[in-house]
Amino acid sequence: KAGVTQTPRYLIKTRGQQVTLSCSPISGHRSVSWYQQTPGQGLQFLFEYFSETQRNKGNFPGRFSGRQFSNSRSEMNVSTLELGDSALYLCASSFSDSSYNSPLHFGNGTRLTVT
Amino acid sequence: DQQVKQNSPSLSVQEGRISILNCDYTNSMFDYFLWYKKYPAEGPTFLISISSIKDKNEDGRFTVFLNKSAKHLSLHIVPSQPGDSAVYFCAAREETSGSRLTFGEGTQLTVNP
Repeated sequence: KAGVTQTPRYLIKTRGQQVTLSCSPISGHRSVSWYQQTPGQGLQFLFEYFSETQRNKGNFPGRFSGRQFSNSRSEMNVSTLELGDSALYLCASSFSDSSYNSPLHFGNGTRLTVT
Repeated sequence: DQQVKQNSPSLSVQEGRISILNCDYTNSMFDYFLWYKKYPAEGPTFLISISSIKDKNEDGRFTVFLNKSAKHLSLHIVPSQPGDSAVYFCAAREETSGSRLTFGEGTQLTVNP
């Protein structure tokens, strides 16, 4: 079974621009979550999508948004980029039936650098 | 407010010995706990998990122990191998929070040959 696939692996953008990151979950997984990893803040939850609906949202400004498509693929968008948005953005998928615990499986991330 | 804490930034052990990584949490609503391993330039890899209704879960060389009264969990790796050298993250989830995980800061494990 293919793992979680994130594209692109690396991105360099200029402050003020916007960026879209893509994630394909493991086949059969309906939940997709996004996390930001920075040296200072560690791994922080951005949002989760399940069946094309945002189910949970972390404490990030509205410049960070996402969506999920009917095939469970997901995209996240960051508008008006700031230098502090430079980070590794990780996507994770899970089966996420609420009746039992299922672990999250992560992709290798997109390394975003804002200059 | 750091709800999940890994107090040891680093740990060094000899090959073949036991590695014990520790994690403390403050949120009593956490009901599911996971350990992940992360190599540089890769995403975290799921290792093992435990539900709050259990106090121990084992998978090969990896065992996770949960002490709910102390709000403490630990990951034991026996025997440790050089390939285990990585950053280990503890994570926790609240029952009503879907797939939202709260992560600790990570512990860098180095296994020396």
